[in-house]
Amino acid sequence: GENVEQHPSTLSVQEGDSAVIKCTYSDSASNYFPWYKQELGKGPQLIIDIRSNVGEKKDQRIAVTLNKTAKHFSLHITETQPEDSAVYFCAASKVTAGRAAGNKLTFGGGTRVLVKP
Amino acid sequence: DGGITQSPKYLFRKEGQNVTLSCEQNLNHDAMYWYRQDPGQGLRLIYYSQIVNDFQKGDIAEGYSVSREKKESFPLTVTSAQKNPTAFYLCASSIEDPLVLNEQFFGPGTRLTVL
Repeated sequence: GENVEQHPSTLSVQEGDSAVIKCTYSDSASNYFPWYKQELGKGPQLIIDIRSNVGEKKDQRIAVTLNKTAKHFSLHITETQPEDSAVYFCAASKVTAGRAAGNKLTFGGGTRVLVKP
Repeated sequence: DGGITQSPKYLFRKEGQNVTLSCEQNLNHDAMYWYRQDPGQGLRLIYYSQIVNDFQKGDIAEGYSVSREKKESFPLTVTSAQKNPTAFYLCASSIEDPLVLNEQFFGPGTRLTVL
């Protein structure tokens, strides 16, 4: 099955600096890569996602890049703010035709980001 | 106000007792999922259901059971066979359309502590 590894496990940055989180996946058939943000005591919330036919996607201060050849994808947060402090999870999924496929996500281990004011 | 609700937020049980965690969604989503999250770790899939009256085991189904009698509801029972049940449990749902890569929406979670 799919295996997703995420690094680093913790990341401390100064407010205004950039943060980068990297994930690698094992199944070359995976074609959907979402990133979730989880605040303390809450459920994860999708912040950005990318599909395998796209190399990069940007949404304001966050961007995700995908390298299918190397099987890794990264989350970039620019101009970090204190409210960016949270745990971030990457995930991978292989969506295939047919109802039996489902949309099972395999998650990385998470990165705890702390933005210091 | 649409969304996913999980109850209760905190749950305490004695060892050896079965306990059922509730998950309800009013998003009209076909698919629902249960994940377990341990401190400092990622989410691991317990069970998922793509349609009413059907469900599949995830990666760590042993010691858990589910039912999907209604589209809106996907309760998870943690049985006494689960060796280490203390964890944060998250329910999610998504539109089930294999042609569209759909976001999973998560509930707020239930923290289960077995004493």
